[in-house]
Amino acid sequence: DTAVSQTPKYLVTQMGNDKSIKCEQNLGHDTMYWYKQDSKKFLKIMFSYNNKELIINETVPNRFSPKSPDKAHLNLHINSLELGDSAVYFCASSQDFQNQPQHFGDGTRLSIL
Amino acid sequence: QKEVEQDPGPLSVPEGAIVSLNCTYSNSAFQYFMWYRQYSRKGPELLMYTYSSGNKEDGRFTAQVDKSSKYISLFIRDSQPSDSATYLCAMRGNEKLTFGTGTRLTIIP
Repeated sequence: DTAVSQTPKYLVTQMGNDKSIKCEQNLGHDTMYWYKQDSKKFLKIMFSYNNKELIINETVPNRFSPKSPDKAHLNLHINSLELGDSAVYFCASSQDFQNQPQHFGDGTRLSIL
Repeated sequence: QKEVEQDPGPLSVPEGAIVSLNCTYSNSAFQYFMWYRQYSRKGPELLMYTYSSGNKEDGRFTAQVDKSSKYISLFIRDSQPSDSATYLCAMRGNEKLTFGTGTRLTIIP
């Protein structure tokens, strides 16, 4: 059973399009995250939700909008895609926001043409 | 200066060797320290999670934290080809998790 699952695994699309990435966790965790990993493997947090409430919002263009319909799901919608958005996007979850380690999905590889 | 510095490698060692991976950090507020392993085209997988200074052992893996020097290490004993991956250190205080850039490790059979 996959603990943190993301769809789709691969996303190839044209510049200017709008796309969404979905994430679900079946671990019963309260906190979920979105990370961006660039071509040099640097992993940087974008957003975090705790019990459906936004608690971390890093300096991310407002073209990126997370949505948490319930605490098991955190989706990422991206408007007007740009070439620089090409990266691997990882979803993660943790028991709570305080001290617990994070568990990651296998990523969504986004390529902008 | 980055909050977390990690030698990106690549690092190649023969099978059976002891591997030492290291990170330094500048933020005194960091209290929780983690090591993740990431295989190609996979998500980071938690290997070790420590809180205090000292050593923590789990099988062939030992995590070491020296808060006074702001230095953490991961040792892999009897390295295997299956240990070939990118290893990411990560740490946090009361807020977000901050990652190192990762060290790419190859174990040569």
